[in-house]
Amino acid sequence: GAVVSQHPSRVICKSGTSVKIECRSLDFQATTMFWYRQFPKKSLMLMATSNEGSKATYEQGVEKDKFLINHASLTLSTLTVTSAHPEDSSFYICSTYPPGQGPKGYTFGSGTRLTVV
Amino acid sequence: GENVEQHPSTLSVQEGDSAVIKCTYSDSASNYFPWYKQELGKGPQLIIDIRSNVGEKKDQRIAVTLNKTAKHFSLHITETQPEDSAVYFCAASAGPFAGNMLTFGGGTRLMVKP
Repeated sequence: GAVVSQHPSRVICKSGTSVKIECRSLDFQATTMFWYRQFPKKSLMLMATSNEGSKATYEQGVEKDKFLINHASLTLSTLTVTSAHPEDSSFYICSTYPPGQGPKGYTFGSGTRLTVV
Repeated sequence: GENVEQHPSTLSVQEGDSAVIKCTYSDSASNYFPWYKQELGKGPQLIIDIRSNVGEKKDQRIAVTLNKTAKHFSLHITETQPEDSAVYFCAASAGPFAGNMLTFGGGTRLMVKP
């Protein structure tokens, strides 16, 4: 089946620094990537939707200058948390799907646990 | 937009017993309802799904039922095993087409005691 590789799995950074999270589709071209944030013991909240070659669409309340999304190729989308603060600490998950497939084909990355100290 | 409510938030059962998790949704246009299992530190994995034209679907020990009139759907796990312990999420989508967003329920932490 479709595989989405997400890196890093864990990252600890200092306040004020930036962190980049990568998601790659390993065996298919991913036109669209969903980025989620998950707080401890909470559900997945959609942050933004990135589309290859165009600007990402952010959900209400998500700062686009804080969470930079780049989807420059059909196999790679990145989320950069800029000037990170402790409140940005969370579990970030990406999800995408092979061309033409609907929600049934959505595949999730393994997640990135970000800790800002 | 769509709102998905999930209950209970935690569920503890003895090994071999059944577990039932219930979800309700608000948007009558939703017609695809997947269930995901998330283990600690990992991304969600699809375990079963159901479309609105079906009332029940079963796959070995897991089954899902859908009441479209009442806008609720449930996950049933029979003969639970310790490895079933995880967080389960229900979700709803407005359609089967590529790009349709998923709205997730709040999650249920299932603990199966040996």
